[in-house]
Amino acid sequence: ILNVEQSPQSLHVQEGDSTNFTCSFPSSNFYALHWYRWETAKSPEALFVMTLNGDEKKKGRISATLNTKEGYSYLYIKGSQPEDSATYLCALSEYGNKLVFGAGTILRVKS
Amino acid sequence: SQTIHQWPATLVQPVGSPLSLECTVEGTSNPNLYWYRQAAGRGLQLLFYSVGIGQISSEVPQNLSASRPQDRQFILSSKKLLLSDSGFYLCAWSVWGTSEAFFGQGTRLTVV
Repeated sequence: ILNVEQSPQSLHVQEGDSTNFTCSFPSSNFYALHWYRWETAKSPEALFVMTLNGDEKKKGRISATLNTKEGYSYLYIKGSQPEDSATYLCALSEYGNKLVFGAGTILRVKS
Repeated sequence: SQTIHQWPATLVQPVGSPLSLECTVEGTSNPNLYWYRQAAGRGLQLLFYSVGIGQISSEVPQNLSASRPQDRQFILSSKKLLLSDSGFYLCAWSVWGTSEAFFGQGTRLTVV
């Protein structure tokens, strides 16, 4: 069974703080890694998809990196804002089909 | 453009009652279809996925079942609900051969 682990489970930061989360996965049979942002009562929103070792993606204040050889990805948020509060999900695909998700990191940004 | 519809949005059902959640996708053909569940305090757990009509793969043994009677229709069912079936259920689709998934709005199921 493919196991995707995320840490920390939850995070509380002050507005303006920068933060990062980790996603760990088995490095064999890697196809693609996804980050999603999930707000309560809404659908998960795709942030990034990365396929190559060393990939770095950026969208505004959010960026992500990928290391397929050691089996991890980092998601960074620079200057956190209250609207960044959400659950951040990491998901792994092995062969371009089904996505297996981690448990998520819950971020709460206090103003 | 592609859209995904999932209903109902919320559902309260007694223990032992049947369940049927429906999901339909528009604007694409032969999508991969998925049912996920988020139980309280946990991430998204893949329950079922389908790569074609009548083709269902079950990821977790449980009292739920899934069916795909048409190319763009995916149904999650149970004959008798348990308290532990409570949670948030999400339907999703992806293009065959890719892995980026697009999600429906979800169904909040409470079994009482």
